[in-house]
This record gives sequence, C-alpha cells and structure tokens, in this order.
Amino acid sequence: EDQVTQSPEALRLQEGESSSLNCSYTVSGLRGLFWYRQDPGKGPEFLFTLYSAGEEKEKERLKATLTKKESFLHITAPKPEDSATYLCAVQGDTGRRALTFGSGTRLQVQP
Amino acid sequence: NAGVTQTPKFRILKIGQSMTLQCTQDMNHNYMYWYRQDPGMGLKLIYYSVGAGITDKGEVPNGYNVSRSTTEDFPLRLELAAPSQTSVYFCASSSLSDTEAFFGQGTRLTVV
Repeated sequence: EDQVTQSPEALRLQEGESSSLNCSYTVSGLRGLFWYRQDPGKGPEFLFTLYSAGEEKEKERLKATLTKKESFLHITAPKPEDSATYLCAVQGDTGRRALTFGSGTRLQVQP
Repeated sequence: NAGVTQTPKFRILKIGQSMTLQCTQDMNHNYMYWYRQDPGMGLKLIYYSVGAGITDKGEVPNGYNVSRSTTEDFPLRLELAAPSQTSVYFCASSSLSDTEAFFGQGTRLTVV
C-alpha cells in the first residue's frame, strides 16, 4: 500500500525566511511524485512532478527535489502570498493512475 | 478552457436524503477521479474511471456510486446520506500522456 507522510503539519515563517517542507513516501514502482498547492476553499493546484531520484524542478521561489525515500519543497525568501497548504502525492505503477496524498503542510508567511 | 467543473459548490443534506455531485471536464481526459478531503487530512480516493463505461472502487467507496456514460462527465451519487459523509469532495481528471491530475474547485457537503 502506498503511503505519504508530510512534515511539519504547520509552519510559520517570517517574510524572507527560507525553509523546507518534507514528504516521505513508500510506493511500489514510482511513476511520479507530485506537489500541489491548495488555498482555503479551493481545489489543489498542480506545482511539480518529479519522476526519478536526483531530479529537481523550480518555479519562482519554490524548488522541489527527490530522493528514493523522500522529497523536499524548498521555499526561498517566501512572501505572504506563498501562504497555503502544500500537498505531496505519489503515483504508483498500478493502472488506475490515482494519487495517494499526504495530509499536507500548512504554511503561513507573515509580513 | 474551463478545466474541471463541479456543481454544486455547497450543499446541506438531511440524514437519509440522496443527491448527485456533478463533475464535467472539457480537456478530453480519459481518467477521472473522485476524492474526499476531511479537515486536516489528505485526499482519499472514492472512485475512479479510466474511460467511458469503466469505473472502479478506490479506498473509501462505501455509501457512494458513480457512472461514466461520456468522456466528459463523472457524477458521484450519494444514496442515503450519513453524517460521516460530511466532507469536501473533489473531482479530478488526467490524460493518457500526462501524469498530473487537474482538480475542480470542490463541493462542500454537510449532512445533518
């Protein structure tokens, strides 16, 4: 059974204070690891897909990295508009393509 | 493109009532999914479909039913609403070639 654990559950940062979110996973045959952003009252918004250990992807102040057991979402010099819940999910090598999600990290960036 | 559209956005049901949550996508995606999200929890897969006429159970299917008569639509049916079904429901879709899923804005359902 695929499993995803995210830490910390909540994180409060000052504007400009860089940090990292962690996603640990177990999956049979990783097809992809996904990061989504979710704002209150909205659906998850796709950020990144990582496919193999060592891969990195960047978008503005966010950088996602992947190892064989975990992924990190690094946030550099965050701004208040980066406040959201960040969800990590994995897709195993079953035919259904469905994602297994972690419970998320609630990020609050204070000005 | 509208992407994935869910209706209604909010609904209050009484115990034992039934309702259908609507989901439609305009991206010609083969795969569609229904998830539920409880407070502080990750999304749990209810049902999924790999194409028109084909559906299968996810992790938490009890109390729900689905159908997929067209590529675009994937409605979720609650037959006898129970308080345990109070949740936010998300529909999502993905294509054959891309692995990422695109989500609707959600339906917040309260059963009282």
